[in-house]
Amino acid sequence: NAGVMQNPRHLVRRRGQEARLRCSPMKGHSHVYWYRQLPEEGLKFMVYLQKENIIDESGMPKERFSAEFPKEGPSILRIQQVVRGDSAAYFCASSRTGVGTEAFFGQGTRLTVV
Amino acid sequence: QKEVEQNSGPLSVPEGAIASLNCTYSDRGSQSFFWYRQYSGKSPELIMSIYSNGDKEDGRFTAQLNKASQYVSLLIRDSQPSDSATYLCAVKGMEYGNKLVFGAGTILRVKS
Repeated sequence: NAGVMQNPRHLVRRRGQEARLRCSPMKGHSHVYWYRQLPEEGLKFMVYLQKENIIDESGMPKERFSAEFPKEGPSILRIQQVVRGDSAAYFCASSRTGVGTEAFFGQGTRLTVV
Repeated sequence: QKEVEQNSGPLSVPEGAIASLNCTYSDRGSQSFFWYRQYSGKSPELIMSIYSNGDKEDGRFTAQLNKASQYVSLLIRDSQPSDSATYLCAVKGMEYGNKLVFGAGTILRVKS
């Protein structure tokens, strides 16, 4: 029973390139949450998705960032035209339902923008 | 007022002592409460969940929930140096749209 899988684990992008971060939830989980964490800081909520639906994207920057969770395949967090300030650890978590169930994290993707 | 508040610490305790970590939250309608442990450079790991008022014990860990006072705590008995980490309190509730809202975390240092 595999856990939450994120890939790549490390991603280096030049300024202006696109970054695509993937998250495959645990088996049986249909809810995905994305968080960003800067060094020595807390987890900042970005977006909450259910299969084919964005439930809450209140933490997503209005420009350059988008997320999806298609019927088939992993959830994708996409960052267009990356800037140095996007360098951070991006974590996704999944849960079976939205209410009253535990959420488990993947190992994260460390994005470095050079 | 922040949605979920924790003392950032660091909280230093000697090996073998009880570590007490506290968390308060703003939404009275919150329904689910979680404690995660995060080692430096690693992802958060779920260690406890609690949904009802009272205590819930799991090994050396005890979570305590008081909905009337809007606080949740985590006790770690017989603290070990390997318990040194950041402990994150997380809350789910209708006001938050059922997303998982985290506190900033408390750094715990267990000294041998």
